[in-house]
Amino acid sequence: GAGVSQSPSNKVTEKGKDVELRCDPISGHTALYWYRQSLGQGLEFLIYFQGNSAPDKSGLPSDRFSAERTGGSVSTLTIQRTQQEDSAVYLCASSSGALSYNEQFFGPGTRLTVL
Amino acid sequence: ELKVEQNPLFLSMQEGKNYTIYCNYSTTSDRLYWYRQDPGKSLESLFVLLSNGAVKQEGRLMASLDTKARLSTLHITAAVHDLSATYFCAATYTDKLIFGTGTRLQVFP
Repeated sequence: GAGVSQSPSNKVTEKGKDVELRCDPISGHTALYWYRQSLGQGLEFLIYFQGNSAPDKSGLPSDRFSAERTGGSVSTLTIQRTQQEDSAVYLCASSSGALSYNEQFFGPGTRLTVL
Repeated sequence: ELKVEQNPLFLSMQEGKNYTIYCNYSTTSDRLYWYRQDPGKSLESLFVLLSNGAVKQEGRLMASLDTKARLSTLHITAAVHDLSATYFCAATYTDKLIFGTGTRLQVFP
C-alpha cells in the first residue's frame, strides 16, 4: 500500500515569501505529525493532529508557522514571510492512533531552501 | 519535558569491528525507537522497543532497552560498509517523538 507522501520534494524560495508544504498520510491514519530537520537543531517536533484538530502545537517555532488538516486526511504546513533560518527538511509522519500503541511512519520530506 | 541524549555523535568504524551506540532519556516513555537515515532520505524504522529488557535483532544490529536506567543501546556486530548511515533514537512523549542528536556511522575497509 501507499506510504506517506509529501510535496513538493524540494522548494526554493526567496526570503519573505510564503510557502505551503503538503502531506498525504497513509489512508486511514488518524494521527498526523510534522517534524523539522535542520543542521543546527536536529529533528524537532512541530505539530500533531488527531483527526482535524491539533491538540499539540507546542513545536511551532513562531506565529509565522501554521498548519491545518482537512477531512482527516491531507495536511498543509504554511510558513509565512520565510526567513533563512526556516531552511530545513520538513518531515511528515502518520500513525493509526496514539503513539503509545502505534508506530509512526515517515514521509520522504520536503527540502526547503530560503535564499 | 523529555530529553534524549545520544552518543557518540560520530563513529568511524573499521569493517568487521563491533561497537555500541547509546541513547539515554530523561523521563518515563512508552516506546523507544531506532531509525536509520541515509543521506538525502527519510527515516527508516529499525526497531521498536516496548518494555524493560526488550531485545530485538535484525542482521548485524541489535537493540535493547533498560527502562529503569532509561537507556537503550544499538549494538553493531562485525560492521560492513552498507551500515554506513545516520542512526537516531527517539522516545515517545505525550504523543510525539523526541529524537536524539543522531549518530553518523561511517564504516571503512
